Amino acid sequence: DQQVKQNSPSLSVQEGRISILNCDYTNSMFDYFLWYKKYPAEGPTFLISISSIKDKNEDGRFTVFLNKSAKHLSLHIVPSQPGDSAVYFCAARDNYGQNFVFGPGTRLSVLP
Amino acid sequence: DGGITQSPKYLFRKEGQNVTLSCEQNLNHDAMYWYRQDPGQGLRLIYYSQIVNDFQKGDIAEGYSVSREKKESFPLTVTSAQKNPTAFYLCASRWGSSYNEQFFGPGTRLTVL
Repeated sequence: DQQVKQNSPSLSVQEGRISILNCDYTNSMFDYFLWYKKYPAEGPTFLISISSIKDKNEDGRFTVFLNKSAKHLSLHIVPSQPGDSAVYFCAARDNYGQNFVFGPGTRLSVLP
Repeated sequence: DGGITQSPKYLFRKEGQNVTLSCEQNLNHDAMYWYRQDPGQGLRLIYYSQIVNDFQKGDIAEGYSVSREKKESFPLTVTSAQKNPTAFYLCASRWGSSYNEQFFGPGTRLTVL
């Protein structure tokens, strides 16, 4: 049973437009959420995170929104660039331990 | 130049052989992790270690073994008991405090023939 879900396997957007990647979770004990970006045959790289006491965190073109009541978070990329084309993983950590649960990923394609 | 290294990048082994994947970090991180990624799936936790000489099983530990004799090193052995060892293996590390992200190595692609 997946505790972290990314229901869109893929997403295509035009360069310059907004990309919105979604993530849902089921475990109410998760208190820290992260987004990672991954290119093929490479390790994921950290993008942005948010703790459960916040509802928004912004870093340059990347903004993460957290809706705790809906157990939903989203990553907004504005404006989208071709170099943003990659697989994006949502991850969550519970406040009992040090482990992270990853979603299956969403492949973003930014078209020139 | 700090980071996490994994070697080799690609590894081929015959069925029934044990194989050890290397992971080294010079970030002075306390915690280290091993994940497995299969096509179309997220990262699944194999083993993790919070401190030297201590490690815990993750969600899919069967057929794998690890050691943590040094803070910098967390090698993973894929044994012949692992039913489907062909996968992309990722090592990660992080500081032990709460709100810190994981840093990942470049990964090792293991193919069992």
